[in-house]
Amino acid sequence: ETGVTQTPRHLVMGMTNKKSLKCEQHLGHNAMYWYKQSAKKPLELMFVYSLEERVENNSVPSRFSPECPNSSHLFLHLHTLQPEDSALYLCASSQEGTYNEQFFGPGTRLTVL
Amino acid sequence: GQNIDQPTEMTATEGAIVQINCTYQTSGFNGLFWYQQHAGEAPTFLSYNVLDGLEEKGRFSSFLSRSKGYSYLLLKELQMKDSASYLCAVRGGSGGGADGLTFGKGTHLIIQP
Repeated sequence: ETGVTQTPRHLVMGMTNKKSLKCEQHLGHNAMYWYKQSAKKPLELMFVYSLEERVENNSVPSRFSPECPNSSHLFLHLHTLQPEDSALYLCASSQEGTYNEQFFGPGTRLTVL
Repeated sequence: GQNIDQPTEMTATEGAIVQINCTYQTSGFNGLFWYQQHAGEAPTFLSYNVLDGLEEKGRFSSFLSRSKGYSYLLLKELQMKDSASYLCAVRGGSGGGADGLTFGKGTHLIIQP
């Protein structure tokens, strides 16, 4: 596989469920990102990881918990979400030290019932 | 604060030229990106400007004026496949590092035959 992959592509969960989103990049990059894209709103940065260390948490509620076990993988653990958290969750990666073009995965379409 | 403005929707004719404007007011600036996003797909990188002036890439060009907080994306010889959303994004930070992007809401471009 090439580029940035995300699984699952679609997820429906109840407010009491716990689920995880997975992202994998095959580009040899050293930085990874989570973004949220809601209808009629701009893409919102959630988390930034550089060399597996979290460098930015953009005031995201604690019901979203990221994990970056290595430079190729990024997870977003979800628990006790709200219906307003329904959105497209996009993962991206980039290489630090360059102009840092970010490559995006196809996203996970999340619906919270 | 961070504020990025671009028109919500534009319509153009196949074979013509269209210019999509973006104005920004951000607390830091280290580059401006344009991305294309087709419905249901990931954003894909189009262009990057960090210095004032015009960057040309085939049918796409992007312009930046840092003093005016202004950029535009110029699309020439429009094709039906150019119907998509065009996202303007600004990177803050000190450059070279893993900085998240702040996005505008996107401009939905409709190409008519």
